[in-house]
Amino acid sequence: EPEVTQTPSHQVTQMGQEVILRCVPISNHLYFYWYRQILGQKVEFLVSFYNNEISEKSEIFDDQFSVERPDGSNFTLKIRSTKLEDSAMYFCASRGLKDREGQPQHFGDGTRLSIL
Amino acid sequence: AQTVTQSQPEMSVQEAETVTLSCTYDTSENNYYLFWYKQPPSRQMILVIRQEAYKQQNATENRFSVNFQKAAKSFSLKISDSQLGDTAMYFCAFMKAGWATNKLIFGTGTLLAVQP
Repeated sequence: EPEVTQTPSHQVTQMGQEVILRCVPISNHLYFYWYRQILGQKVEFLVSFYNNEISEKSEIFDDQFSVERPDGSNFTLKIRSTKLEDSAMYFCASRGLKDREGQPQHFGDGTRLSIL
Repeated sequence: AQTVTQSQPEMSVQEAETVTLSCTYDTSENNYYLFWYKQPPSRQMILVIRQEAYKQQNATENRFSVNFQKAAKSFSLKISDSQLGDTAMYFCAFMKAGWATNKLIFGTGTLLAVQP
């Protein structure tokens, strides 16, 4: 079964540094998402992306965050200047446009981001 | 705005027994989708079951079934014949119908421990 792939599985970064989290969505999917989960808390929506532009973003997704689909397969989340509170698990998800409406999003295994 | 509430932070069940996890939600939408996701210690997000709000019939997937009460805005998950591998965090999630704003809104989760 096709999977969403995220790399790296664990990223350790100094505060203030830039970090890029990478995702390879399922190949025929067209809607892409990033969510984050601070340890012990619920999963929170960050941003959705379709047709090379952001569809929706949450209040968490401020100017320090950006997303990009640099080629036909990767979908990246960049945090420009990381803060301690950015430490979390980041999940990428994708969904196919031609699926029946309401089809679930398929999640990757997540990237654990630790800011020191 | 939509909210999802899971009032049971932790639950425990004996192997082979049945357990029910509660979820309530608040929305003014008439058409939407509800999901249960499982997050084992490995922290993947795995879809367990999906319900369409316009369908009265409760969804079933093998040992997993839901009790969907639209008027009460309740969406509980029943796990029959519990297995040790069911030990995980379970998240209830809501998604509005429609293409543009189909983010998932998660509850805070219920940690289920299946005891041998």
